[in-house]
Amino acid sequence: DTEVTQTPKHLVMGMTNKKSLKCEQHMGHRAMYWYKQKAKKPPELMFVYSYEKLSINESVPSRFSPECPNSSLLNLHLHALQPEDSALYLCASSQVLTGRTYEQYFGPGTRLTVT
Amino acid sequence: AQTVTQSQPEMSVQEAETVTLSCTYDTSESNYYLFWYKQPPSRQMILVIRQEAYKQQNATENRFSVNFQKAAKSFSLKISDSQLGDTAMYFCAFIPGNTGKLIFGQGTTLQVKP
Repeated sequence: DTEVTQTPKHLVMGMTNKKSLKCEQHMGHRAMYWYKQKAKKPPELMFVYSYEKLSINESVPSRFSPECPNSSLLNLHLHALQPEDSALYLCASSQVLTGRTYEQYFGPGTRLTVT
Repeated sequence: AQTVTQSQPEMSVQEAETVTLSCTYDTSESNYYLFWYKQPPSRQMILVIRQEAYKQQNATENRFSVNFQKAAKSFSLKISDSQLGDTAMYFCAFIPGNTGKLIFGQGTTLQVKP
């Protein structure tokens, strides 16, 4: 099973709202990722968690706050977003082993619109 | 700098024909992993094929195969017997070393025509 699930599929929020995106995988992967993707552009890496610890933060604004409650779950908390934050938010996961980096499997994404 | 270049923004192919998508990359790492991902209109990112740089043999997955030229830093994707369902944006990507950071090219939009 190579499935990564994301909820919700669509989200519309105002600039003063607080919302959360959720991602779940049951593949036993120990690395999880958040990406932001604008239309017709490649995904841009936001955060990487490895063994439930934040290992990479690509200088993302503090209005995006990631959380990894356990090895299967990854959340992205949103607060005071701007209209330019409207995008497709993709979650991915991969195996992690010493000396080896594995391919990433992506979820279907959450389409976020900030009004 | 670690970069990926896809020089063909858009391509089209007739159903059942063969098409090749180009990709070049730049890295100073000796060990890295290369991938092609497909993103259809649904925007689900799907892994098509993977290649480990230390393996000389080109990877193949059913109708998809790659031509990996390590010295030239080239990693092209060949799609044989193209099908309408192959219509998508294709991203070439690689992970340098063990960074875990997936670096994407700008993508090639492929349209398969009936």
